[in-house]
Amino acid sequence: DTAVSQTPKYLVTQMGNDKSIKCEQNLGHDTMYWYKQDSKKFLKIMFSYNNKELIINETVPNRFSPKSPDKAHLNLHINSLELGDSAVYFCASSQDWTTGKTQYFGPGTRLLVL
Amino acid sequence: QKEVEQNSGPLSVPEGAIASLNCTYSDRVSQSFFWYRQYSGKSPELIMSIYSNGDKEDGRFTAQLNKASQYVSLLIRDSQPSDSATYLCAVNRPGGGNKLTFGTGTQLKVEL
Repeated sequence: DTAVSQTPKYLVTQMGNDKSIKCEQNLGHDTMYWYKQDSKKFLKIMFSYNNKELIINETVPNRFSPKSPDKAHLNLHINSLELGDSAVYFCASSQDWTTGKTQYFGPGTRLLVL
Repeated sequence: QKEVEQNSGPLSVPEGAIASLNCTYSDRVSQSFFWYRQYSGKSPELIMSIYSNGDKEDGRFTAQLNKASQYVSLLIRDSQPSDSATYLCAVNRPGGGNKLTFGTGTQLKVEL
């Protein structure tokens, strides 16, 4: 059974489109995260939710909007896609948001904006 | 200055040798330290976590932490070709919501 899953795995779209990425975890964790890994493999946090509440909101364009319908799901909606949004987006989860709790990563969604 | 710095590599070691990966961090209050392994096209996978000064061993892996020098390292003994991957150092600080700050990773190549 996959612990942290993401859909879709690949996403190819045109500039200006709106797209969503979904994430689900079956670990019973309270906290979920979105990270972006750019073409140079640098991994940077975007958002974090704990039990449906926003905990971390890094400096991310407001075209990016996370939504957590319940603590097992965290989705990422991106409006007006730009070329620079091309990256791999990883979802992760941890037991809670206490410093030092291990984060488990999903398989990633590879987004290519043309 | 980057918050977490790693030599990007590639670091090439022969099979059976010890691979030594290094990481420095700038935030003195950083509290927890992690090494993730990432194979090409895959997601990061936790290898080791370390929270206090000294060494922590798990099988062929040893993490070393020196908070005074703001330095954390990962040693891989008896390196295998299957260890070839990018190794990401990550840190987090108290009160940061468990936010991980990553280095840019070191690519390790273990040669036959």
